[in-house]
This record gives sequence, C-alpha cells and structure tokens, in this order.
Amino acid sequence: DTGVSQDPRHKITKRGQNVTFRCDPISEHNRLYWYRQTLGQGPEFLTYFQNEAQLEKSRLLSDRFSAERPKGSFSTLEIQRTEQGDSAMYLCASSLARVYNEIRTNEKLFFGSGTQLSVL
Amino acid sequence: DAKTTQPNSMESNEEEPVHLPCNHSTISGTDYIHWYRQLPSQGPEYVIHGLTSNVNNRMASLAIAEDRKSSTLILHRATLRDAAVYYCILSVTTDSWGKLQFGAGTQVVVTP
Repeated sequence: DTGVSQDPRHKITKRGQNVTFRCDPISEHNRLYWYRQTLGQGPEFLTYFQNEAQLEKSRLLSDRFSAERPKGSFSTLEIQRTEQGDSAMYLCASSLARVYNEIRTNEKLFFGSGTQLSVL
Repeated sequence: DAKTTQPNSMESNEEEPVHLPCNHSTISGTDYIHWYRQLPSQGPEYVIHGLTSNVNNRMASLAIAEDRKSSTLILHRATLRDAAVYYCILSVTTDSWGKLQFGAGTQVVVTP
C-alpha cells in the first residue's frame, strides 16, 4: 500500500493561467474524491468518481474546473483562468466502495498530502 | 444536511486520556458518525466510524449516546503525535458516503 500520491505538492501561478493537478489513488480503489481546503477550514467536497465515471459535482466546482479519471486509475483536476480565490490546498482521496445487499460497507477514505495552490 | 458542533480546541497532557465531544442533534437514522484527524501539512486521516454501538480500534474509541445526538471520541493515552485537528462528520447521503461535510474541527494540543 503506497498510499494516495498527489503531484505537485506546491504550485505557484499567476492569475489567468491554467493549472493541472494529478492524483494517483491506491491501486485497487474504485472511488476517487477531490476536496479543497482553505486556511483554518475543514476540507470541502468538490467531486467524485466511481471508476471512470464522474458521479457528482459540488456547486463549488465552477465551469473553470474540470476533473477527469481516464481508465478509472489516476485523476487530474484542471483549473482554467485561475483567480486569487482559487488559492487553496487541493486534496485527493480514494476508497474501496462495496455494497452488500444494499448495505454499504467500508466508510474509510485515504487522503493524499494535497497540492497547495497559490495564485498571485 | 445534518451538522456537527465541536469545541474549537482542547488541551491534554501527554499519556492522559482525551475525550473529544461532538454534538449532532439533527442526525438522521441512517447517518454514520465519522472521525478523521489532520496532522500539520498532511491530508486528513481516518480515525473511526460508527452508527449506533460503541466502537473500538487501535487508534481510538467512539462512544455514541443512546439517542445518537452526541458522541465522544476517546484517545486513551495521548502522545505528542496525536496533536492534530479532529473532525467529527456525519455522512450526508446513503450513496456517496465519501462525500464528507467537514466542519472546522477541534484542535488538540498535547503538552509533554
């Protein structure tokens, strides 16, 4: 178990530039989540994937944000035309989702260490 | 959506137990109670979760009130490595249980 890895750890960009972050989940995990965290606050849910399908997007995810998970493995989060308000820690998490007889099991998320974005 | 209320911070001495309270008076019958913690410069880490019965694992214990309107995370012997922000979270849907609604959490300070 190598854990969830995120790249880069830090990104500094100028307002208006596009940025892309990558997340590599734990290999057998079928669900992948993106969260955003600003200083002093808890993480906020952005979106999640079940395998390669994006199943839900938060209202926080404006149309400048796009996430993909091709082939159900790694995921990328792209922010176009960055704004200073996009400065935050972007966290990725994965889980192995199993349901038996409509009863959910395994509530555990594994988080990466995040990508700290600073927009100047 | 069900919300939780936690104290902003708590202090503990090393090797003493820590009891972290969480109020969730609007919890619904199908909501699980999750606890995660976040060490400095790291992503959150799963601690424990439960539905109705008390739960124990190697990290902590979770005591859930009979009416489920409150719960307490118990760290049996605090170490300096337990200094972190602890989040009490309710799962908000029966489908995407990884869609967690974090609050501001409780900052735990452990003094030697």
